[in-house]
Amino acid sequence: DTEVTQTPKHLVMGMTNKKSLKCEQHMGHRAMYWYKQKAKKPPELMFVYSYEKLSINESVPSRFSPECPNSSLLNLHLHALQPEDSALYLCASSQDFPQHFGDGTRLSIL
Amino acid sequence: ELKVEQNPLFLSMQEGKNYTIYCNYSTTSDRLYWYRQDPGKSLESLFVLLSNGAVKQEGRLMASLDTKARLSTLHITAAVHDLSATYFCAVGSGGSNYKLTFGKGTLLTVNP
Repeated sequence: DTEVTQTPKHLVMGMTNKKSLKCEQHMGHRAMYWYKQKAKKPPELMFVYSYEKLSINESVPSRFSPECPNSSLLNLHLHALQPEDSALYLCASSQDFPQHFGDGTRLSIL
Repeated sequence: ELKVEQNPLFLSMQEGKNYTIYCNYSTTSDRLYWYRQDPGKSLESLFVLLSNGAVKQEGRLMASLDTKARLSTLHITAAVHDLSATYFCAVGSGGSNYKLTFGKGTLLTVNP
């Protein structure tokens, strides 16, 4: 069991849908992250929030919109995604190091 | 741009054998991480190496860091089937080392 909880575990959506991924941590960590991982590839950083402020955006398309409502919660809003966006989306948190990862949301775009 | 190269990418071992996975990186960093990922699962932190000459051991795994050579190794001693997984090294960069750049990963299969 991980201390970073992600919901849902699986998500299937059409290209015109709007959905959101949710991530929670109750370890008091100051930084939270979104990664994208394609099959048999390493995770790729998408966004970093530090003290609830967006500190890194790795030139992610605007169809992905992150939100950090409070220090324990991180959302990723999805809209008009493309088939190539199908992947495992991992959330992580850290105080200093290392980053602790959630189990991920497996996203499929029809 | 920071580049992280791991080799080998695929490793098939017999139980009881020893082997080493190598991780080279292109720019200065003071934090090197090793993670394990089982199929369909999340990433589990194995080691954090913070300084030149750092060595850490947990069970049959031992990790080391040479910052001058920009090289980390993950040594596997007397492999067992339970070690079968993908192993990633990752290098921290940026302010507070928030950004992790991962190597491509090494898929380790330990055969009976």
